[in-house]
Amino acid sequence: GNSVTQMEGPVTLSEEAFLTINCTYTATGYPSLFWYVQYPGEGLQLLLKATKADDKGSNKGFEATYRKETTSFHLEKGSVQVSDSAVYFCALGGSQGNLIFGKGTKLSVKP
Amino acid sequence: GAVVSQHPSRVICKSGTSVKIECRSLDFQATTMFWYRQFPKQSLMLMATSNEGSKATYEQGVEKDKFLINHASLTLSTLTVTSAHPEDSSFYICSAKVMNTEAFFGQGTRLTVV
Repeated sequence: GNSVTQMEGPVTLSEEAFLTINCTYTATGYPSLFWYVQYPGEGLQLLLKATKADDKGSNKGFEATYRKETTSFHLEKGSVQVSDSAVYFCALGGSQGNLIFGKGTKLSVKP
Repeated sequence: GAVVSQHPSRVICKSGTSVKIECRSLDFQATTMFWYRQFPKQSLMLMATSNEGSKATYEQGVEKDKFLINHASLTLSTLTVTSAHPEDSSFYICSAKVMNTEAFFGQGTRLTVV
């Protein structure tokens, strides 16, 4: 069945460092791909998405490109901030409108 | 974005009792609500999908008699964990959506059964 494999954390970076969180997927067809973020004490929020191969989703300086050939959707940001500290979830769209999630990666950014 | 409110955020209950968790869409009418469960260091796993006015569809391995889901209105779905046991301790998250829009998530409920 469909699944998502996500880089395990925690990840600790200094402010202004480059961030990559790897995400690969297994799926039949070409589902939409998502990155969600969960800040401490809050619900999951959609960070960005891509609906077809080669699409690039971007938001708040984060980017991810839907790579069909490598079945990947890696999250990147060129310069992280302390306020980016959160848990990041990669997900793919299920057939019922649900989401299939990776395990989440906790990011801590130190000043 | 749209707001989904989940209540309570934390609950501790005694083994054998039942606990109800509410999920409300505050500023939109949700045609579909989803309930997920997350064990420590695991993915969020879909438990069930509920559409307003109809019975919930449970994922394989989820006991429908233990996890009662009611979606009585377009703005409210409830999950009741009946006869809770310590192994039911987990993080439960709901999400709500309208037709083909993105899903919006509640803050989650940390259930601890003692």
